[in-house]
Amino acid sequence: DTAVSQTPKYLVTQMGNDKSIKCEQNLGHDTMYWYKQDSKKFLKIMFSYNNKELIINETVPNRFSPKSPDKAHLNLHINSLELGDSAVYFCASSQSRGSYNEQFFGPGTRLTVL
Amino acid sequence: AQSVTQLDSHVSVSEGTPVLLRCNYSSSYSPSLFWYVQHPNKGLQLLLKYTSAATLVKGINGFEAEFKKSETSFHLTKPSAHMSDAAEYFCVVRGPYSGGYNKLIFGAGTRLAVHP
Repeated sequence: DTAVSQTPKYLVTQMGNDKSIKCEQNLGHDTMYWYKQDSKKFLKIMFSYNNKELIINETVPNRFSPKSPDKAHLNLHINSLELGDSAVYFCASSQSRGSYNEQFFGPGTRLTVL
Repeated sequence: AQSVTQLDSHVSVSEGTPVLLRCNYSSSYSPSLFWYVQHPNKGLQLLLKYTSAATLVKGINGFEAEFKKSETSFHLTKPSAHMSDAAEYFCVVRGPYSGGYNKLIFGAGTRLAVHP
């Protein structure tokens, strides 16, 4: 039973297109995250939502727009895709009230922009 | 500011020999530290965590890590490597508390290769 799931797993698209990645968690957590992992495996947080409210917004181009329709979902929409957007995008979730802030990660979405 | 430095980008061991993945941290307060593992084409999985309880932390799959404040280190070890341990390992520190939440700050990762 998958805890954090992402779709699609792979996404290949042309520059300038608009695409979305979906994330769902069935852990009952109230906080969700999007991370970007570049080609050198470096992981950096992009956004975090708690109870559908944006709480962390790192320096990310405004072409990236997260949307949280409910606590269990956090989608990432990317407009006007650029070559530099090619990366693996990970969704994660946690229970914010927990003292350990353990995050559970999805399997990742590998985005390739041609 | 909180940060972690993984001292080796690649580590190669033979199956059955000990594993040592090194991590140093920087923190202006008592840190919370984690090790995550990422197997090829998979998401990240928590191996273990330190949150100011016992300094020797045991995790899954036989891994453990020791928090050493005097050395600002949190090295990951395993007595005997298995082929299935080949993966990317990330040392992580909980970032500053801001707006009611903490971010996780990841190290650059160490790729562990295990040879027969």
